[in-house]
Amino acid sequence: NAGVTQTPKFRVLKTGQSMTLLCAQDMNHEYMYWYRQDPGMGLRLIHYSVGEGTTAKGEVPDGYNVSRLKKQNFLLGLESAAPSQTSVYFCASTSQGIGNQPQHFGDGTRLSIL
Amino acid sequence: DQQVKQNSPSLSVQEGRISILNCDYTNSMFDYFLWYKKYPAEGPTFLISISSIKDKNEDGRFTVFLNKSAKHLSLHIVPSQPGDSAVYFCAASGDKLVFGAGTILRVKS
Repeated sequence: NAGVTQTPKFRVLKTGQSMTLLCAQDMNHEYMYWYRQDPGMGLRLIHYSVGEGTTAKGEVPDGYNVSRLKKQNFLLGLESAAPSQTSVYFCASTSQGIGNQPQHFGDGTRLSIL
Repeated sequence: DQQVKQNSPSLSVQEGRISILNCDYTNSMFDYFLWYKKYPAEGPTFLISISSIKDKNEDGRFTVFLNKSAKHLSLHIVPSQPGDSAVYFCAASGDKLVFGAGTILRVKS
C-alpha cells in the first residue's frame, strides 16, 4: 500500500537554484496539500488543490508554485531557492476536504538551501 | 498569531502510566479537532478526532476531551507504552487545517 509518496526524500540546493518536489497518491483523493514543518512552528500550509487542474494559496505561499495536472500528482516548485526555504516538506491528501476527514501524509522531503 | 497552541514542547512518562497532552485554541469557529502522531523520518499519521459538538471521544487507549468554554482539548493515553514515544500534533479544522507546534512524548520503560 503506497498511499502518498514523495520524491526526493533529501535534497541540498544552492541559493538561487530551482527544483520541483513531486507528490503522488494512489487513493484517488480529490484534495491534496503541501505543508512545511519548521522547528517550533508545527505544519504550515503552503498551497493546496481541491481537484485536478485546481490550485489555491495556503498560509505561506510566497516563493512557491504548484501544479495539479493529473489527479494523482501534486508538484511543488521552488523557482529561486532561498535559505529561508530550508525545511521539511510534507504532502498530504484526503478524499473530502477538511472537516473530520483525516489527511494522509507522505514521509516528507528534507530540503536544505545553502 | 498562533490559533492552535501546544504549550508543552515535551513530556516524559513512565510506561504504564497516563500521558496527558494538552492543546489550546483561539478560534471558536473550528468544527473538528484532530490528533496526529509522528515518528522520526515519517509523515504524521491520524490518531483520533473529536467534533466540536462532543466533549469526549474514545478509541482504545486513546481518549480526547474537549472543553469548548475553555477552548482546550487534551489527549489521554492509558496505559502509555514505549511505542507511543513520538511527536503529537494537535490540529483544528475550519476552512483549513491548523496545526499546533507539537509535543514530544517520551515513554520510559
